[in-house]
Amino acid sequence: NAGVTQTPKFQVLKTGQSMTLQCAQDMNHEYMSWYRQDPGMGLRLIHYSVGAGITDQGEVPNGYNVSRSTTEDFPLRLLSAAPSQTSVYFCASSSGSKSSYEQYFGPGTRLTVT
Amino acid sequence: RKEVEQDPGPFNVPEGATVAFNCTYSNSASQSFFWYRQDCRKEPKLLMSVYSSGNEDGRFTAQLNRASQYISLLIRDSKLSDSATYLCAVKGATNAGKSTFGDGTTLTVKP
Repeated sequence: NAGVTQTPKFQVLKTGQSMTLQCAQDMNHEYMSWYRQDPGMGLRLIHYSVGAGITDQGEVPNGYNVSRSTTEDFPLRLLSAAPSQTSVYFCASSSGSKSSYEQYFGPGTRLTVT
Repeated sequence: RKEVEQDPGPFNVPEGATVAFNCTYSNSASQSFFWYRQDCRKEPKLLMSVYSSGNEDGRFTAQLNRASQYISLLIRDSKLSDSATYLCAVKGATNAGKSTFGDGTTLTVKP
């Protein structure tokens, strides 16, 4: 099982550039989320989705867009990269079943904005 | 005040020690609670879900105290391989798609 996959693993951007971080899951999970993790800190929620076509903002949504056209994919778009967006980005998915809300994480994308 | 707060750590303990971490949450309507383990430069992985009655998995015990709004994780007989960062996570009742994480507590187990 592939689980949750993320591409790319590493990325360097210049200020003002845009890019899309890809996330896919093969577990037929309803819920998907994007987090960022800065050094020595926990995970901060950027955007999340409770199903195809439904997205909502998390704690730190500014500068990021998401869409969810299929159950499997949940890409994160950086509109105009800024040095403050240098971070590790994790995508996660979970079942919508109340008995199994635990999340499965992808391996992360390490982004540096210069 | 943060929604979810953890002991700041770091915790440095010898092998064989017992160590406990606490995590407090501010939303009394929270319904689901978890402990995740994160190794250096890796993704978080679920360690344990935390149930109202408490639960145990080998050397690990998780407990929930709804009255005081905290969860705890107890690790007995610490191993070198337990060295990691431990994150607590909380899901609300009304928006199960949204989780809030603590900042994590770093544990180093020394020989």
